[in-house]
Amino acid sequence: AQSVTQLDSHVSVSEGTPVLLRCNYSSSYSPSLFWYVQHPNKGLQLLLKYTSAATLVKGINGFEAEFKKSETSFHLTKPSAHMSDAAEYFCVVRGYSSASKIIFGSGTRLSIRP
Amino acid sequence: GAGVSQSPSNKVTEKGKDVELRCDPISGHTALYWYRQRLGQGLEFLIYFQGNSAPDKSGLPSDRFSAERTGESVSTLTIQRTQQEDSAVYLCASSSPRGFSTDTQYFGPGTRLTVL
Repeated sequence: AQSVTQLDSHVSVSEGTPVLLRCNYSSSYSPSLFWYVQHPNKGLQLLLKYTSAATLVKGINGFEAEFKKSETSFHLTKPSAHMSDAAEYFCVVRGYSSASKIIFGSGTRLSIRP
Repeated sequence: GAGVSQSPSNKVTEKGKDVELRCDPISGHTALYWYRQRLGQGLEFLIYFQGNSAPDKSGLPSDRFSAERTGESVSTLTIQRTQQEDSAVYLCASSSPRGFSTDTQYFGPGTRLTVL
């Protein structure tokens, strides 16, 4: 069985400062992990995904995430926040096959202070 | 190319009425998913179609909910005898699975359902 926990429901940072959105997962097998972003009144967009090729995954808009098996974590980071990063972010876990269930975290709302 | 489209974008209905929501996946995508997103919450898996295989209906919350898909094209999600707790945004996604769990889902804009 899989599960995913986003540790913060809301994160607020100042523009130009680092962003850290935390995600922990639980999976019986090697999981596939994703981060999606949802801007207000827009559809969900894939930010990045862990494919087991490399533990540090680079995504769009300067975001990256590191898969740490020992900590069962897949935290999302960005060195310098931009106002346009304000959105809802979802961490997603999936089992080892394409038929496996996809489990979404409850989301973290990122606010950017000017 | 065109993305996933959903209609209607907004639907207001009265309690007890039936509603039908439509999803047009990206052409050629064999996998289609329905999710429900209640206000301020994450996505809740409802149902998954993969080609001609039997759909995974394990996420449907009650027998008032059903979904159909003809081949690898349009899907409709039907909610019978709607209740106020059915109010949510219903999202559809499609993907072109290669048999890998890393297949990317492409989401539609959603249908916002309000049950009065």
